[in-house]
Amino acid sequence: EPEVTQTPSHQVTQMGQEVILRCVPISNHLYFYWYRQILGQKVEFLVSFYNNEISEKSEIFDDQFSVERPDGSNFTLKIRSTKLEDSAMYFCASSPFYEQYFGPGTRLTVT
Amino acid sequence: GQQLNQSPQSMFIQEGEDVSMNCTSSSIFNTWLWYKQDPGEGPVLLIALYKAGELTSNGRLTAQFGITRKDSFLNISASIPSDVGIYFCAGLMDSNYQLIWGAGTKLIIKP
Repeated sequence: EPEVTQTPSHQVTQMGQEVILRCVPISNHLYFYWYRQILGQKVEFLVSFYNNEISEKSEIFDDQFSVERPDGSNFTLKIRSTKLEDSAMYFCASSPFYEQYFGPGTRLTVT
Repeated sequence: GQQLNQSPQSMFIQEGEDVSMNCTSSSIFNTWLWYKQDPGEGPVLLIALYKAGELTSNGRLTAQFGITRKDSFLNISASIPSDVGIYFCAGLMDSNYQLIWGAGTKLIIKP
């Protein structure tokens, strides 16, 4: 059964550094998302992406964040200058329309 | 912003018992999704609901889309140890594809 994959599974970075989180969505899906989850809290929406452009973004998704679909398979989230409070699990999801399927996540630790 | 109120926050049950949890909102949703999340992993889609009044099962799990479109219920029958985890409801509104999440129900099975 096709699934969303994410790399790396764990990323440790120093404050102020740039990180790129990678996702491979399910191949025939049209909508792509990034979410984050701070330990013990609910999942928070960051951004949705459709037809090669951002369709919605949350207040969390400020100028430090960007997304890209550089080729037909990858979907990336870049954080330009990480802050301590960016430490969280980051989940990619993809959807054919309504149902969203999540990847296993990348644990980002900012020190 | 929109909020989903999910209850109970946690449940301690005996193996074999039935479990019920629900999500309510003051807003109308056009899709309800129920997810299960194990520690350190991504949410796994359990059931998707698309129409008011819809009742859908997935094995021992049954979920319902409330008639008012403002609530949804998940029932688990005859719980087993692997049912432990956190269950999240999530809703989609007509206006966008941003999932609105409940805070989760943590299911714990008493030894």
